[in-house]
Amino acid sequence: EVQLVESGGGLVQPGRSLRLSCTASEVTLRNFAMTWVRQAPGKGLEWVSSISGSVGSTYYADSVKGRFTISRDNSKNTLYLQMNSLRDEDTAIYYCATVSSGSFPYWGQGTLVTVSS
Amino acid sequence: SYVLTQPPSVSVAPGKTAIITCGGNNVGSKNVHWYQQKSGQAPVLVVYDDAVRPSGIPERFSGSNSGNAATLTISRVEAGDEADYFCQVWDSSSVHTVFGGGTKLTVL
Repeated sequence: EVQLVESGGGLVQPGRSLRLSCTASEVTLRNFAMTWVRQAPGKGLEWVSSISGSVGSTYYADSVKGRFTISRDNSKNTLYLQMNSLRDEDTAIYYCATVSSGSFPYWGQGTLVTVSS
Repeated sequence: SYVLTQPPSVSVAPGKTAIITCGGNNVGSKNVHWYQQKSGQAPVLVVYDDAVRPSGIPERFSGSNSGNAATLTISRVEAGDEADYFCQVWDSSSVHTVFGGGTKLTVL
């Protein structure tokens, strides 16, 4: 069974940076496209970013483009989300998930990011 | 940007059928995926590519997609089906993934 575990969340001041990690077990991440999805408190799901499996092409929501960077370290079987210039509205639970033909079959349990002064 | 519209809430009695809609411009030309999210938990994929159930998802869950609306149908609804449901597509024109706003299913 594929297991994804996110880490790196926490309380951060506006304007600061944070890096989230997503570590996988029972699956080799380099073989998969991966994605980050977030959910603000009491709100719906918002797609954040995706990275393709082979070429490593990256895609970003307009709300984070230029501030967030998705990447992967195949040697560590880990997916990352580098978040810079954080804003109050970036406060959310951040989930990583695998991508299969456009759907997201496997999800982690999420890590909470709170942006507040 | 592409928009998916869902009703905020749907209520249904146990044993009855719940239908959750997901509207979008010519959404029938896209592959629609559906997720169930119970309180405090991560989302779970319940239907992909309009109408395909992942392994372990009960046959009571089914989907369809045509024209400007996709639907998720839950037959013989149980108390355990109470959750938020989200539709999702990949919009090739914007190279973005889009989620609907979500529908809260209440089992009366």
